Amino acid sequence: AQRVTQPEKLLSVFKGAPVELKCNYSYSGSPELFWYVQYSRQRLQLLLRHISRESIKGFTADLNKGETSFHLKKPFAQEEDSAMYYCLGVGTASKLTFGTGTRLQVTL
Amino acid sequence: NAGVMQNPRHLVRRRGQEARLRCSPMKGHSHVYWYRQLPEEGLKFMVYLQKENIIDESGMPKERFSAEFPKEGPSILRIQQVVRGDSAAYFCASSRGQNEKLFFGSGTQLSVL
Repeated sequence: AQRVTQPEKLLSVFKGAPVELKCNYSYSGSPELFWYVQYSRQRLQLLLRHISRESIKGFTADLNKGETSFHLKKPFAQEEDSAMYYCLGVGTASKLTFGTGTRLQVTL
Repeated sequence: NAGVMQNPRHLVRRRGQEARLRCSPMKGHSHVYWYRQLPEEGLKFMVYLQKENIIDESGMPKERFSAEFPKEGPSILRIQQVVRGDSAAYFCASSRGQNEKLFFGSGTQLSVL
């Protein structure tokens, strides 16, 4: 079964501290992986996809096939990064699987 | 392009009534996905549709829930005989094709009294 796991429900960091939001996947074949973000009272929006290998708002995510992980990282957290983050996997037949989400709380 | 439009934004129903949630995908998008976000839980996939076809409904409860995406008009998620446990935020997303970028609607908050 396809599965995406985000082990942390809540991650609280100080402003300026590094951030790592964990995402592990279990898929047969090679899924496509994404990170989505939902700021308070706003729509879900795409943050990153693994095939584009870009950095958005200072965030990066590397696909590690050996560890089956796609962790989201940022070297220095900002207050405006506080949001709900979802890891998404797309497998065969476009089956989408979301992780349960991690709430990032950046405090002063 | 107005983006993915969902309506209503909030829907209040009494137990036993029917709830109809609408989703108009972005222009040019023929793939629609429905998700449910229960309180204190993450997003759960419900159903994936293309125009006039249900591709994957593995996330849909077996009873009372149905979805359609007709040739003309929005996609409809229908919940019959609602119960309190159906109270949740229901999100719709659309894309141009398989594995393409998803665009999300603002969601419909269903409250069952």
